[in-house]
Amino acid sequence: DGGITQSPKYLFRKEGQNVTLSCEQNLNHDAMYWYRQDPGQGLRLIYYSQIVNDFQKGDIAEGYSVSREKKESFPLTVTSAQKNPTAFYLCASKGQANSNQPQHFGDGTRLSIL
Amino acid sequence: QQQVKQSPQSLIVQKGGISIINCAYENTAFDYFPWYQQFPGKGPALLIAIRPDVSEKKEGRFTISFNKSAKQFSLHIMDSQPGDSATYFCAASPDSNYQLIWGAGTKLIIKP
Repeated sequence: DGGITQSPKYLFRKEGQNVTLSCEQNLNHDAMYWYRQDPGQGLRLIYYSQIVNDFQKGDIAEGYSVSREKKESFPLTVTSAQKNPTAFYLCASKGQANSNQPQHFGDGTRLSIL
Repeated sequence: QQQVKQSPQSLIVQKGGISIINCAYENTAFDYFPWYQQFPGKGPALLIAIRPDVSEKKEGRFTISFNKSAKQFSLHIMDSQPGDSATYFCAASPDSNYQLIWGAGTKLIIKP
């Protein structure tokens, strides 16, 4: 079945450590997104990519980095510069960026600080 | 002006009752208004969406009501069931960039 796979489901970060969250889709979608979800704050956009080898900062990009070397993959790195990384991270994809097609979400990665 | 304000933050409804969640916006450039449903430990999924050229859209027990002049839209869940217990997000986007602006979410609990 087509969908979005996020891994790992749970991740723990030590102080000063960078960690990378995986997001893979087999929906042949052009656009991919990373959101951060905190209780009571809805979804906040970290980065998005409209097409391979292109990505743009969202509203809260500081302390995060991404790459989009393949259409299927959009990994997110949470760097040590992100001082409050504990959150639920969601990856999404959409057929075409410039459209009202629905966003399809993975089941998220919960990141915690050790 | 980019915000979408959602209320209430949480809602408890008896089984069989009507659940109502409200959202308001300021940006008149918004012209697509989806609702997403999220179960614990899962990502959100599109439930129903509306554009401002209609005042209401119904899909099964779920209805979006849209008031363009008041810049408000709401989700009504008729005959609410325990399986509807989830967090619901409203969102809005303009056709200029199709970027979704999300409400803060409503945690809905349906009591049996």
